[in-house]
Formats: sequence, C-alpha cells, structure tokens
Amino acid sequence: EDQVTQSPEALRLQEGESSSLNCSYTVSGLRGLFWYRQDPGKGPEFLFTLYSAGEEKEKERLKATLTKKESFLHITAPKPEDSATYLCAVRSNSGGSNYKLTFGKGTLLTVNP
Amino acid sequence: DSGVTQTPKHLITATGQRVTLRCSPRSGDLSVYWYQQSLDQGLQFLIQYYNGEERAKGNILERFSAQQFPDLHSELNLSSLELGDSALYFCASSVGTQETQYFGPGTRLLVL
Repeated sequence: EDQVTQSPEALRLQEGESSSLNCSYTVSGLRGLFWYRQDPGKGPEFLFTLYSAGEEKEKERLKATLTKKESFLHITAPKPEDSATYLCAVRSNSGGSNYKLTFGKGTLLTVNP
Repeated sequence: DSGVTQTPKHLITATGQRVTLRCSPRSGDLSVYWYQQSLDQGLQFLIQYYNGEERAKGNILERFSAQQFPDLHSELNLSSLELGDSALYFCASSVGTQETQYFGPGTRLLVL
C-alpha cells in the first residue's frame, strides 16, 4: 500500500525566511507526485506534478523537487499570503489501480509579517 | 476557481438520515473522484467514475454509494449516517484517468 509522510506537521516562518517542506513516499511504481495548497475550509489547489527523479518545477516563490524517495517544496522569501496547508500526494501502480491519489496529512505553514 | 462545483456547501443532519452531495466537473473532464477529509485521517479516496462507469474504489463504506450521470455530473449518496461521517467531502475531476485532478470547494457535512 502506498504511504506518504509529510514533515514537519507545522512550520512557522518569518516573512522572507526561506525553508523547505518534506514529503517522503513509499510506492510501487510511481506515476506522479503532486503538490497541492489548501486554505482553511477550501478545496486543495493544484501546484505541481513531478514524474521522475531529478525533475524540478517552479512557480513564483515555490520550487518542487523529486528524488526516488522524497520530494521537497522549497519556499523562497515567503510572504504572509503563502500561509496554508501544503499537501503532497502520489499516484502509483499499487493494487492495480493507478487512478487514485494517496495524500499525506500535510504541513501547516504560517508566515508571520 | 478550479471550475469544479459542489453543492451544497454545508449540510447539517441527524444520525440515521440520508443525504446526497452533488458535483459538476470542469468542462471537458470525464473523470470524477470523491474524497473524504477528516481531521484525523486526512484526505481519503472514496471512489472514481470515468464517463459514467465506476473505475476505482477506495475506502468507501457500504452505506455510501455514488453515480455519474450522462451529463457527467456526479452524486455521492450517504445513508444511515453516523457521527463519524462528519467531514469535508471533496469532488475532483480530470480530463481522463491519468491527468491532474482539480478539486472543488467541498461540502461540509455535520451529523448530529
């Protein structure tokens, strides 16, 4: 069964203080690793998809990277509006079903002004 | 705005009752997925439909059922509700079965 572990559970940063969120995964045949952002009471908002080790994607202050065992979401010079829960999910060949996403429990990021 | 719509936004009901949650996918998307999000379990996959046919099942209880209609909207039916069914229910859609899933705003269900 696919497993996704995110760390830390919560992270508090000062505005401008760069950091990274970690997503460790155990899957049988990775078919994609996804990062989403979720604001309180809202639906997850898609950020990135990574497919193979070494791949990197960037969007504004966010950069996602992927290795064979984990993914990092790097946040450069964060602003208060970056405060949210960041969710990592994997899609794999496990169990003969490569349709569903298996999510980690998320990292709650708070950026103080 | 992802383009996925869900109704109602909030639902309060009593134990033993039955409710129906509705989802309209993004224009052009054929796949619809249902997820449950609770504080202790996180986001859990329930079921997926592609162009009207069930394609995959996750941790969906027998008291829950879903369907996708010819116009591609989907409904999730929850029956014999228990306190533990209180959660956020999200619908997501994608073009096919392998592409990025885009999530709706969710329905918050409270069972009293």
